[in-house]
Amino acid sequence: NAGVTQTPKFQVLKTGQSMTLQCAQDMNHEYMSWYRQDPGMGLRLIHYSVGAGITDQGEVPNGYNVSRSTTEDFPLRLLSAAPSQTSVYFCASSQDRVETQYFGPGTRLLVL
Amino acid sequence: EDQVTQSPEALRLQEGESSSLNCSYTVSGLRGLFWYRQDPGKGPEFLFTLYSAGEEKEKERLKATLTKKESFLHITAPKPEDSATYLCAVRGGYSGGYQKVTFGIGTKLQVIP
Repeated sequence: NAGVTQTPKFQVLKTGQSMTLQCAQDMNHEYMSWYRQDPGMGLRLIHYSVGAGITDQGEVPNGYNVSRSTTEDFPLRLLSAAPSQTSVYFCASSQDRVETQYFGPGTRLLVL
Repeated sequence: EDQVTQSPEALRLQEGESSSLNCSYTVSGLRGLFWYRQDPGKGPEFLFTLYSAGEEKEKERLKATLTKKESFLHITAPKPEDSATYLCAVRGGYSGGYQKVTFGIGTKLQVIP
């Protein structure tokens, strides 16, 4: 079991560029979510999905899009990167929305 | 609004020197308190889930306890490999379509040989 995997590990973008952060899990978990972690702040929820084809917004969704075409994959898209999106992004999954979440290794994003 | 406050922000211990980390919380209807360990450059690693006051869980040198207002992570005879940031999180009631999970900033623990 690889658990939750994320790619890339590190990315540098210029303001206005777009990119997709990849997340995959092999635990057959229904619930997946994206968080961002910034210095001096706790992890904050960006978007989440309760199953294939179902997504919804979390606490800080602006500037991000998600889709969930399969149980395994949950990509996060930045439409037009801004310096405020410089952060470390974590994907997490759990059996359902009330169970313990397991996190991936993270993607460190720098927007210049 | 749900809140999680962890203290101290940083803690430096000698190897073998036991101590406790604190997580104070305010939440409307606790549906789980979580402890995670996070090593530099890595994702949070799950340690414990506690659901009700009085509950305790142990794993190796770690023991988590829960009251109605706070949780403690007790570290007994720590080793250098216990050095990490420990995160506390609480799951509360529904916010929109999801049960919001609020994370604390963490306590950075350093254990010196």
